[in-house]
Amino acid sequence: KNQVEQSPQSLIILEGKNCTLQCNYTVSPFSNLRWYKQDTGRGPVSLTIMTFSENTKSNGRYTATLDADTKQSSLHITASQLSDSASYICVVKGGYNKLIFGAGTRLAVHP
Amino acid sequence: EAGVAQSPRYKIIEKRQSVAFWCNPISGHATLYWYQQILGQGPKLLIQFQNNGVVDDSQLPKDRFSAERLKGVDSTLKIQPAKLEDSAVYLCASSPGQGRTSGNTIYFGEGSWLTVV
Repeated sequence: KNQVEQSPQSLIILEGKNCTLQCNYTVSPFSNLRWYKQDTGRGPVSLTIMTFSENTKSNGRYTATLDADTKQSSLHITASQLSDSASYICVVKGGYNKLIFGAGTRLAVHP
Repeated sequence: EAGVAQSPRYKIIEKRQSVAFWCNPISGHATLYWYQQILGQGPKLLIQFQNNGVVDDSQLPKDRFSAERLKGVDSTLKIQPAKLEDSAVYLCASSPGQGRTSGNTIYFGEGSWLTVV
């Protein structure tokens, strides 16, 4: 069964600290993996898209990694800011261009 | 570039009433999606259009939900009659590709928040 599981479910960190969010998937065939940021009350906004051959991709303070062998991805946030408080959703594109969404990790950055 | 537009942003209705949501995708985007997102969960695909044709509506509760994309541009999603469990955010999204380009970004609207009481 195609699934995307994210951990932790929620996370609280202090401003300025780093954190890493995890995404494990069992989607086959695999097309690409995306990380989205969803602020409360807003629609998701794309952070990164990674294909099978890409191991790392950065977008400012966000760095995503992908291990296609172990079917794991991580999103690392460096020097967190209060505005990073949001839900981070991992999305895997599989066969027939189907998108499988994770439940998201809710991140709260406290001053 | 204008984003994906949705309306209304918020709607409160009683159960058994009907509601309709409208979506205007980014100009030129061939693919349009409707997602249902229940609080605390990831979005669930309801229906995917490629131009004005339906690509995937396997998770659309067809006894009460309907969607159309006449002329391959704007789309409407209707719920009739609404149930309490339909309370959710309904997200519209669009992407430029023909569904075969793996790297196409999907752009989401701000969502329509439905509360059924």
